[in-house]
Amino acid sequence: ETGVTQSPTHLIKTRGQQVTLRCSSQSGHNTVSWYQQALGQGPQFIFQYYREEENGRGNFPPRFSGLQFPNYSSELNVNALELDDSALYLCASSPTAGQRVNTEAFFGQGTRLTVV
Amino acid sequence: AQSVTQLGSHVSVSEGALVLLRCNYSSSVPPYLFWYVQYPNQGLQLLLKYTTGATLVKGINGFEAEFKKSETSFHLTKPSAHMSDAAEYFCAVSVTGGFKTIFGAGTRLFVKA
Repeated sequence: ETGVTQSPTHLIKTRGQQVTLRCSSQSGHNTVSWYQQALGQGPQFIFQYYREEENGRGNFPPRFSGLQFPNYSSELNVNALELDDSALYLCASSPTAGQRVNTEAFFGQGTRLTVV
Repeated sequence: AQSVTQLGSHVSVSEGALVLLRCNYSSSVPPYLFWYVQYPNQGLQLLLKYTTGATLVKGINGFEAEFKKSETSFHLTKPSAHMSDAAEYFCAVSVTGGFKTIFGAGTRLFVKA
């Protein structure tokens, strides 16, 4: 059984560019959540996907968008990058039995995004 | 709405000493509570969780936490610190029927030899 894997591990982008981050969920998990962790802070919830549909969203602007694929892997897309988008982006998968049942999340190693 | 407050952004203990990391939560409905650990340049690893039932929860690496509803607290303890415990610790809350986990700001634990 493989865990949650994220790619790439590190990324440097220029302000105004677009970025796509990828996540493969743990085997058997159908729910993926994305979090942004700025330096020295706790993770902040961006959004969650369940069975290829957005299941909830945090206080992030529309330029943060996502996708979930039939194999439950997921992408986070960020358009028009800003300097404040520099952070560790964490993907977490959960073995939820239903759309609103909550269990603990299993986290990947994260993608460190630097915007210059 | 739910929230989490971790008291103390930094805690320093000597090797072999008691570890106590404090967490208070706010929730209008019965919460699920978690402690995660994060080592440098890594993701989060679940230490322990409280859902229902026994209020004293034992986790990995000798850590435990006690859910105290009257105090809205979920403090993390370990009787004897080890150098390998040095890391960032996050308390988190979610609720049944919810779709996100709310994290505290984290407490960095330093262990002195």
